[in-house]
Amino acid sequence: QSVLTQPPSVSAAPGQKVTISCSGSSSNIGNNYVSWYQQLPGTAPKLLIYDNNKRPSGIPDRFSGSKSGTSATLGITGLQTGDEADYYCGTWDSSLSAGNYVFGTGTKVTVL
Amino acid sequence: EVQLVESGGGLVQPGGSLRLSCAASGFTFSSYEMNWVRQAPGKGLEWVSYISSSGSTIYYADSVKGRFTISRDNAKNSLYLQMNSLRAEDTAVYYCAREAQLEPGAFDIWGQGTMVTVSS
Repeated sequence: QSVLTQPPSVSAAPGQKVTISCSGSSSNIGNNYVSWYQQLPGTAPKLLIYDNNKRPSGIPDRFSGSKSGTSATLGITGLQTGDEADYYCGTWDSSLSAGNYVFGTGTKVTVL
Repeated sequence: EVQLVESGGGLVQPGGSLRLSCAASGFTFSSYEMNWVRQAPGKGLEWVSYISSSGSTIYYADSVKGRFTISRDNAKNSLYLQMNSLRAEDTAVYYCAREAQLEPGAFDIWGQGTMVTVSS
């Protein structure tokens, strides 16, 4: 079971904004950078955000990330039908043993 | 083109073994840390294992520790996952993922995945 908690689903109409939360602890989000991944149906995950709030080249600025304490947030503005996907947060965790990467539980984004 | 291509998946009986491979191209493989991530049918992502660029540092998820072995051959631009004592709960799509240089925890390149099914 994941140690990073995300809402199972969020939805909004095209053009609107959604935010996805990722709640962790001091052993993971609190002391490490957070990344966000988008997984379109039937495809491999894709890096959307790294270092809490940086976008790889090619990722539109409609996607944004932030972190505060032991929680992180992904924001998507100007929602498009092509944004319908599962989204995961991820970070390294040092609570159990050395070197343990953890993903969030995942959030399904639906465009109404 | 920067690319990772997994192979070696298939159907195996419980208790059996399988070796997955991940072929890298389009970048200097020996300079990058690599990971295996899996996804059970209809479930979320689960990190499996990490290996440093030289292979000197290795980590495993508790769920596979003692059963799986990660390795790499930098001369062949390849990453491997030897899976022994397989269980039904190991059934998943297995992805290899590159960790971005100087960006810990950022898996910036993913393969297409290879399916492993453990069933009698």
